[in-house]
Amino acid sequence: QSALTQPASVSGSPGQSITISCTGTSSDVGSYNAVSWYQQYPGKAPKLMIYEVNKRPSGASNRFSGSKSGNTASLTISGLQAEDEADYYCCSYAGSGQYVFGIGTKVTVL
Amino acid sequence: EVQLVESGGGLVQPGGSLRLSCAASGFTFSSYWMSWVRQAPGKGLEWVANIKQDGSEKYYVDSVKGRFTISRDNAKNSLYLQMNSLRAEDTAVYYCTRAASNSWYAWGQGTLVTVSS
Repeated sequence: QSALTQPASVSGSPGQSITISCTGTSSDVGSYNAVSWYQQYPGKAPKLMIYEVNKRPSGASNRFSGSKSGNTASLTISGLQAEDEADYYCCSYAGSGQYVFGIGTKVTVL
Repeated sequence: EVQLVESGGGLVQPGGSLRLSCAASGFTFSSYWMSWVRQAPGKGLEWVANIKQDGSEKYYVDSVKGRFTISRDNAKNSLYLQMNSLRAEDTAVYYCTRAASNSWYAWGQGTLVTVSS
């Protein structure tokens, strides 16, 4: 499978809202409500922020929300804070036990 | 507290083999699918393999099929990844992860595998 498409970078000022897109195909994102999002700081393990498109696990800030329309999923960060500066990856189930990640998006807080 | 601790990484020559281990604690290991996810230096995340609770189902990314084998020992709360015919492009940090709801909530700290002559 090909990696899901994400913008290389997204930036915003503190307090603003930003949205990261994650575009796949009708074989992955478009077929399953199985999109998850991960936050990763340099040199650290990823942290789950959203699962099953729009569900937030315990420990994830409620400033993070997810959605999906067709073959594109989105992660929105509201009230942007300095600590949100990190890399973000989407992931989707692609059928037959397979998973595919996005290429990653670097979020910069201006 | 959920803990996943990987070991077994290191430097290996192209064509060589390596076996990664992951020691799990703080949860009922036998109740969860488990996965390996890797990250090449400076690159993004890549799902590598999944294994069902009882080991009866295993899935792999195409690039490692026939070379890597995922396995588990529920009596020892351990996950393994046997990597054979290693290539330079397998160089990465390998993370042991606990799967649930098509996502990975718990991650280990990762172990670095370097394939180079």
